[in-house]
Amino acid sequence: NAGVTQTPKFRVLKTGQSMTLLCAQDMNHEYMYWYRQDPGMGLRLIHYSVGEGTTAKGEVPDGYNVSRLKKQNFLLGLESAAPSQTSVYFCAIMRDRVSDTQYFGPGTRLTVL
Amino acid sequence: TQLLEQSPQFLSIQEGENLTVYCNSSSVFSSLQWYRQEPGEGPVLLVTVVTGGEVKKLKRLTFQFGDARKDSSLHITAAQPGDTGLYLCAGDKAAGNKLTFGGGTRVLVKP
Repeated sequence: NAGVTQTPKFRVLKTGQSMTLLCAQDMNHEYMYWYRQDPGMGLRLIHYSVGEGTTAKGEVPDGYNVSRLKKQNFLLGLESAAPSQTSVYFCAIMRDRVSDTQYFGPGTRLTVL
Repeated sequence: TQLLEQSPQFLSIQEGENLTVYCNSSSVFSSLQWYRQEPGEGPVLLVTVVTGGEVKKLKRLTFQFGDARKDSSLHITAAQPGDTGLYLCAGDKAAGNKLTFGGGTRVLVKP
């Protein structure tokens, strides 16, 4: 998966609990993305970052927060998990604005009971 | 309603048959990409098309971008079990840094 790792691989939460998903890359790419994938919905962009210290909202940002304090790490936080956030979460990286290739991590499967 | 509509949602064929997957939109895209995703893994980029009417071939896979850059198709010739997977199209509307994905087409090639 092109130097993109995601932690954890699986997690089960109870409604109202919080957690943080970590995306780490070793390719020195500028852009990082968080998507969620639900059956029949493809991938939907939650938040993204165009460089260290920057973040921006995507298509479905509500209920999530992100941080990019270091270039190699992009964190996705759920402050108060809801069953609607049960999904598979993918992180992706892209070298820069000129590049058109996003490299995806292996995903994190999250279940909220 | 998704910005990019893929059809069919599911396709089951026998080894050796041909198949076509469609990706349609009412919006114009500066470029369109096709990904393949295997169970338990992230999507992997197959191709990017950027010019209206463009046709790209990748072995037995043929990708076409519509003249108006609103739609695309993926054609697989003589499908093999290794072609099984989820095929996703994704469009970039403004030559920027964000992709919009279609809902995916799940392809099963039986030996």
